[in-house]
Amino acid sequence: AQKITQTQPGMFVQEKEAVTLDCTYDTSDQSYGLFWYKQPSSGEMIFLIYQGSYDEQNATEGRYSLNFQKARKSANLVISASQLGDSAMYFCAMREDGLRGGSEKLVFGKGTKLTVNP
Amino acid sequence: DTEVTQTPKHLVMGMTNKKSLKCEQHMGHRAMYWYKQKAKKPPELMFVYSYEKLSINESVPSRFSPECPNSSLLNLHLHALQPEDSALYLCASSPSGRAQFFGPGTRLTVL
Repeated sequence: AQKITQTQPGMFVQEKEAVTLDCTYDTSDQSYGLFWYKQPSSGEMIFLIYQGSYDEQNATEGRYSLNFQKARKSANLVISASQLGDSAMYFCAMREDGLRGGSEKLVFGKGTKLTVNP
Repeated sequence: DTEVTQTPKHLVMGMTNKKSLKCEQHMGHRAMYWYKQKAKKPPELMFVYSYEKLSINESVPSRFSPECPNSSLLNLHLHALQPEDSALYLCASSPSGRAQFFGPGTRLTVL
């Protein structure tokens, strides 16, 4: 079974600094996808970034980048130039291949609560 | 239109009530999902619909009944719920092999 581990229950960062949120995964599949989501206190899960297992380049989306180290099975999220609005829960997730085309299961880690201090 | 909408935002119901949650997307995504999320926990998958057919049921109690009337709409019918069913219910949709996009959720309280 696939598994996602986020070892940091909470993280603190000063505004404008960079922060790394850790995520390790365990799978025997060759093809898989890794995702990061942000969940503010309002509850909505916001998709941030995606990395495919065959992608050779690390994914980047604006201030977000994914440090993908396949041999170490890690997919850490790096947020540069933190802003107060980045304070939220962050979930790492892995895609399990679905039983039918177009329906994939996501396995989530337990999450990391990030607090950005002014 | 690049969003998933959910109604209502908040719902309070008694254990004998029947209510429904609604989810809608107009992105042409063929897979739609229901998740349940308790406080300080990750979302837990409940149901997956693919091409309007139920493809995954994660052993959810029968007091939760999903319905997919068409490719844009997903309902979750609730009946005889228990207080422990109080949670945030999230709907999501996805194109094949891509990220799932979530709605804002319905916060459900069962009295």
